[in-house]
Amino acid sequence: DAMVIQNPRYQVTQFGKPVTLSCSQTLNHNVMYWYQQKSSQAPKLLFHYYDKDFNNEADTPDNFQSRRPNTSFCFLDIRSPGLGDAAMYLCATRPGGAGDGYTFGSGTRLTVV
Amino acid sequence: GDSVTQMEGPVTLSEEAFLTINCTYTATGYPSLFWYVQYPGEGLQLLLKATKADDKGSNKGFEATYRKETTSFHLEKGSVQVSDSAVYFCALSDQVGFQKLVFGTGTRLLVSP
Repeated sequence: DAMVIQNPRYQVTQFGKPVTLSCSQTLNHNVMYWYQQKSSQAPKLLFHYYDKDFNNEADTPDNFQSRRPNTSFCFLDIRSPGLGDAAMYLCATRPGGAGDGYTFGSGTRLTVV
Repeated sequence: GDSVTQMEGPVTLSEEAFLTINCTYTATGYPSLFWYVQYPGEGLQLLLKATKADDKGSNKGFEATYRKETTSFHLEKGSVQVSDSAVYFCALSDQVGFQKLVFGTGTRLLVSP
């Protein structure tokens, strides 16, 4: 089945140690998004790509970066994770047309110790 | 900016009860409206959507009607099941541009047998 796959499901990293989360999609969608969802809160957009065009939300910390080497893959890099970065990180895709719904991956839950 | 307001939870119901979760929005443009559901430890799943006034989105017994005059998109189900227990997010996106999803804070639904 076509889908959005996030690896790993659970990631534990040490305070200050760089970590990379990955997302792949078989849907061939143009648009990919990274959301951060802290406990009991709504998801918050960090970045999105329309094809190779990168868009950073104004309030996304500099500690967070992203790469999209091709249509299928997108990575979220956290250069120096702090305790406040512990959250569920959700990847999503969308075809690109008006009114299209997003398809979300199952998320990666990041714990910082 | 655009925003979504949902009723606070948790909403606690007995099986087969009628469900309403209120959602209102503020948008400068003419948005698409969505309901997403999140089961424990999982990502978000699109439940239903509507892209223009008076459209009714429906799926798995859930319904919501796009009401432009009241800027609302209330979620309803005639008879809930225990398996409907989850967090429900109302969201909107512009129909042009990058179509960023803006979420409400989510409403937890608990259904008891």
